[in-house]
Amino acid sequence: GENVEQHPSTLSVQEGDSAVIKCTYSDSASNYFPWYKQELGKGPQLIIDIRSNVGEKKDQRIAVTLNKTAKHFSLHITETQPEDSAVYFCAASKQKLVFGTGTRLLVSP
Amino acid sequence: EAEVAQSPRYKITEKSQAVAFWCDPISGHATLYWYRQILGQGPELLVQFQDESVVDDSQLPKDRFSAERLKGVDSTLKIQPAELGDSAMYLCASSLGPSGEETQYFGPGTRLLVL
Repeated sequence: GENVEQHPSTLSVQEGDSAVIKCTYSDSASNYFPWYKQELGKGPQLIIDIRSNVGEKKDQRIAVTLNKTAKHFSLHITETQPEDSAVYFCAASKQKLVFGTGTRLLVSP
Repeated sequence: EAEVAQSPRYKITEKSQAVAFWCDPISGHATLYWYRQILGQGPELLVQFQDESVVDDSQLPKDRFSAERLKGVDSTLKIQPAELGDSAMYLCASSLGPSGEETQYFGPGTRLLVL
């Protein structure tokens, strides 16, 4: 079955810096790659997603890139703000979502 | 904005007791999912419903876990008897359809502690 690895497990940045989180997946048939943000005590919230026919997608300060040949995808957050602090999960899906292990992002003022 | 509702938000129980969690998906969403999230890990799918039918329960420990969605709307997940290792966050999600490319919307979760 699908296996998703996510790095780093923790990431500390200063406000205004950029943050990059990387994921790799094992099943080349996976074709949908969402990213979720989970705040303490809450359920995951979708922040951006990308499908296999697209290499890059951007939404304001957030962007995701996908390299199907290498089977990896990345989340890029620019101009980070303290409210970006949370745990971020990548996921890959062919028929069902398989999540990575999460990255705890801490943005310091 | 429509949201997935879950209750209770927190549950403390003793091992060997029975517990039940309830989920009400976003109106019109035919597909409902139950996930288990162990602290420090990503969610793992337990069961997927399409309307009232189970589509995937391959990871559901069927000796103690059961799930139903009798009228194809809200759903209940039950654990009987609970074990210490069941302590986790139980998340419900819903989507318009069963495709692996459909966006899934998550509820706030039920945090279970088994003593």
